[in-house]
Amino acid sequence: SQKIEQNSEALNIQEGKTATLTCNYTNYSPAYLQWYRQDPGRGPVFLLLIRENEKEKRKERLKVTFDTTLKQSLFHITASQPADSATYLCAPVDNAGNMLTFGGGTRLMVKP
Amino acid sequence: NAGVTQTPKFRVLKTGQSMTLLCAQDMNHEYMYWYRQDPGMGLRLIHYSVGEGTTAKGEVPDGYNVSRLKKQNFLLGLESAAPSQTSVYFCASRDQGEHYSGNTIYFGEGSWLTVV
Repeated sequence: SQKIEQNSEALNIQEGKTATLTCNYTNYSPAYLQWYRQDPGRGPVFLLLIRENEKEKRKERLKVTFDTTLKQSLFHITASQPADSATYLCAPVDNAGNMLTFGGGTRLMVKP
Repeated sequence: NAGVTQTPKFRVLKTGQSMTLLCAQDMNHEYMYWYRQDPGMGLRLIHYSVGEGTTAKGEVPDGYNVSRLKKQNFLLGLESAAPSQTSVYFCASRDQGEHYSGNTIYFGEGSWLTVV
């Protein structure tokens, strides 16, 4: 069965450092992969999308990589700030249907 | 522009009661989704709709029904609530488009449901 794995343990880092979050998937052949941010008590908000033919995508302090061989996406936040503290969700999307499946999310805590 | 609006935001139900969650979007989106989110489980798709008058089952549809009579509204019904349905429910919508276009999905703020 299809499975998406994100580190369920919180990631604690110091302000100014680079945070790296991992999303692994199995039994998928995603056409693209999306990353979302979710704050406590709020709905997820779209951040970035990377397509299967793209190795890397950047947006301001965010960088996403996509390795279809390893079946893995990495999400980086450079020069992290306490305001980056949130839960980050990945969502591989295949080209066969309309549904969107999410990983369980990784909580990031950036300490000042 | 309100985006995706869910009502009610909080509700406590007794086991066996019924209720309906309403999702409304003002972006003229074709696709709408209902998810539930539980600790350690992530977001799980309950039902979805690809257009007015259509509905389809997602990953965890049992115990829920949906209707999409109007394009802007997607209703989620619980006919006989059970404690296992205690959760946070999120509605989402996106525009029609090819999958490779990666249309952004917009989420509502969530509805907290407790079944006692």
